[in-house]
Amino acid sequence: ETGVTQSPTHLIKTRGQQVTLRCSSQSGHNTVSWYQQALGQGPQFIFQYYREEENGRGNFPPRFSGLQFPNYSSELNVNALELDDSALYLCASSSGQGWDTEAFFGQGTRLTVV
Amino acid sequence: QQQVKQSPQSLIVQKGGISIINCAYENTAFDYFPWYQQFPGKGPALLIAIRPDVSEKKEGRFTISFNKSAKQFSLHIMDSQPGDSATYFCAASTGGSNYKLTFGKGTLLTVNP
Repeated sequence: ETGVTQSPTHLIKTRGQQVTLRCSSQSGHNTVSWYQQALGQGPQFIFQYYREEENGRGNFPPRFSGLQFPNYSSELNVNALELDDSALYLCASSSGQGWDTEAFFGQGTRLTVV
Repeated sequence: QQQVKQSPQSLIVQKGGISIINCAYENTAFDYFPWYQQFPGKGPALLIAIRPDVSEKKEGRFTISFNKSAKQFSLHIMDSQPGDSATYFCAASTGGSNYKLTFGKGTLLTVNP
């Protein structure tokens, strides 16, 4: 196990609703990245938080937002859910920046929008 | 625009055989090329990674071959085992191992006993 914990593991929401996903990073890790993995696809970068500040964003609309807390845990919020938001949402934590700083992935939250 | 193209989509290999998965990229600014292994119900786990100034890197049964001029890299799994059956993703980034990874679509590897 990587020590990165995500909750909930599964979630079903209705189109138009809002959802909050949570990630508890590995001890000592101050960087959290979020990825969306659609069925049969590779993960896509949503954004990264480093020491509570957003540190880069992928090609996702503003209705995808996040937070990082002083203990470096993180939330991903998605407003106005669409059917295409159905995916596995992964968070990855790491201890700072740098080429050799490995990011460890959690097991993901499976979101289904109906 | 798919910046990292991965092939094949699926691969079946006999136990003891060699599994080869290929990736091609477009962005010449990429400076980090990892391979991830993902089992069902789990997140991706880093297998092995390479920088563009190295043509080959080997760790145990896993080898990355890198061709900078062709903008291609590949994963070779020697002596493939049933426990290697998983989905493999190549990826690339411009900021090292933990930043804005761009993933391929994945290869489902099945190793038959």
